[in-house]
Amino acid sequence: GQNIDQPTEMTATEGAIVQINCTYQTSGFNGLFWYQQHAGEAPTFLSYNVLDGLEEKGRFSSFLSRSKGYSYLLLKELQMKDSASYLCAVRDQAGTALIFGKGTTLSVSS
Amino acid sequence: GAVVSQHPSRVICKSGTSVKIECRSLDFQATTMFWYRQFPKQSLMLMATSNEGSKATYEQGVEKDKFLINHASLTLSTLTVTSAHPEDSSFYICSANRASGGVAGELFFGEGSRLTVL
Repeated sequence: GQNIDQPTEMTATEGAIVQINCTYQTSGFNGLFWYQQHAGEAPTFLSYNVLDGLEEKGRFSSFLSRSKGYSYLLLKELQMKDSASYLCAVRDQAGTALIFGKGTTLSVSS
Repeated sequence: GAVVSQHPSRVICKSGTSVKIECRSLDFQATTMFWYRQFPKQSLMLMATSNEGSKATYEQGVEKDKFLINHASLTLSTLTVTSAHPEDSSFYICSANRASGGVAGELFFGEGSRLTVL
């Protein structure tokens, strides 16, 4: 079966660094995505990993280990506006829909 | 960049009526679009894959006669919730892949449609 796990909630303070982990078990693998979603809005794309290693994009970085079925999203220099839900999603075959984890709600406090 | 537009963003209807939601890819052609549903504080659950010119593929547990999907052109897919009931109240989101350009396989999302059935 398909399964994607990530923590339900996390809290952090402004200026800090937070790492959101995601583990997955899927029948195939054609890429792992991270999305940010604010309440009542559609998800917005953050990052994409298809090969092992770290992808850096400004304050956000994402890491993938295919052999371990593991990824993390690293958020640096946290800001209040980073308070949102972060969704880990996997595509198991090219051209198919993404399978989403349940999302991690991040609360950033001052 | 690529944009997927969804309409209406919010709709309130009476129980028993039907509601149509449109999903358009504005600057690219999408042979395949995906419809998701999201309950409060839950993740996105895939409902169906909409294929241009052919029947949609529904996920297990999704009633195809209740959630009618039509993909009449390369830029438009519609989801019709028929005989809506309060339990159908949810956030419906469409998405599409752009075949080339940008991040490989990036999925673009519409703005979502909040359906409330009274």
